[in-house]
This record gives sequence, structure tokens and C-alpha cells, in this order.
Amino acid sequence: GDSVTQMEGPVTLSEEAFLTINCTYTATGYPSLFWYVQYPGEGLQLLLKATKADDKGSNKGFEATYRKETTSFHLEKGSVQVSDSAVYFCALSDSGGYQKVTFGTGTKLQVIP
Amino acid sequence: DADVTQTPRNRITKTGKRIMLECSQTKGHDRMYWYRQDPGLGLRLIYYSFDVKDINKGEISDGYSVSRQAQAKFSLSLESAIPNQTALYFCATRDGGTEQFFGPGTRLTVL
Repeated sequence: GDSVTQMEGPVTLSEEAFLTINCTYTATGYPSLFWYVQYPGEGLQLLLKATKADDKGSNKGFEATYRKETTSFHLEKGSVQVSDSAVYFCALSDSGGYQKVTFGTGTKLQVIP
Repeated sequence: DADVTQTPRNRITKTGKRIMLECSQTKGHDRMYWYRQDPGLGLRLIYYSFDVKDINKGEISDGYSVSRQAQAKFSLSLESAIPNQTALYFCATRDGGTEQFFGPGTRLTVL
């Protein structure tokens, strides 16, 4: 079945550091890929998405590129802020009729001033 | 007002009790989902529904049941709660697109 593997956390960075959170996936067909963010005490919110190979999703300074050849969708941000502290989930939606969504285990990011 | 609401937000109960978690949405979406979140395990799908008459088991449905009372309401029940059902529970909705919209979560503790 489908699966998503993302790097374990927690990840601790200083403000203005560069962020990479790795995500790889296993799926048949042509899934859509997502990054969701969960701030403390809240539900998940969509951060960005990409629906086909070579697409780049971007939002709030975060970017991720759908790499079919390496089955990856790594999240990057050039300069993190304290307000980016959250848990980040990589996810995929399969291309079948039910478009089932599979989530990774989440990576906690802590940004210190 | 929030588009997806969950009640209660927190609940502490005892082993063997019946518990119902409720989810309501004002987004007009047909698709609704229940997930549980556990540390280190991410989100796992319990049940999903594509309309009032279409309910499907997810990967961890044992010990849970659901009811889709209307397009806007999707309830999750634990018929006889056990401690390993202690978790954070999320309801989500989805339209015909690819994005899911999550409620704020219910923190359930089973003693």
C-alpha cells in the first residue's frame, strides 16, 4: 500500500536558519502530495501542495518540489522564524476513486530566537 | 465561526464507558473523515464517509463506529472505551478537490 516517510524530529533551529524536512513516498499511479502544518493546540492546515511531477508548491516562504524520479517532496524554507514552530506532516492522496490520504508521522520543528 | 467544529474538545472517561465524539461542518462538503493522532504515529484513518449513505472503514476501525446523521454531521462512537484509545481525534472534510479541512481536535483520555 501507499506510505510516506519523513525525517524524525524534533528539529531545532535558530531563527533565520535554513530548513529542510525530508519526505519520501511509495505509491502506485500519480498521487498528489501535500505538506500540512499543525500549530500547538490546533488541527492541521494545508501548507502547500503539488499535483503532478515537477510541480513546485509554495506558501508563506515554504517550498516543496514533486520529484517523481526520487519519489520525494522535501520541504524547505530559506529563513525560519519563531512563529514557524509547529509539527509538519507530509501526505499523499492516491489517484483512485476514493483519493485516500496517507500521512507521514510528522516532524516537530522548534525555532529558537 | 470555524468551518469544522468538534465537541467536546477534551474528555476524560473510564474504561468500559460509551463515548461519542461529534463533528459538524458548514463547508457543504460531502466527504468527511475521522482520524486519530498518536505521538510518533502521525494520523491514522478510522472511518470515512462520502455521503450520508456511504460509510467506509479506514485502517484502524476496530473498536469504533460512526454515524452520518446528515451531510453536515459525522459522529464517532467508542462503544466500550479502553485505555489504548487515549489519543487526539480529528474530524476532517473534503470537497471534490484534494485538500482536507480539519477540525480543532478532541483530546480523549481513557482511564
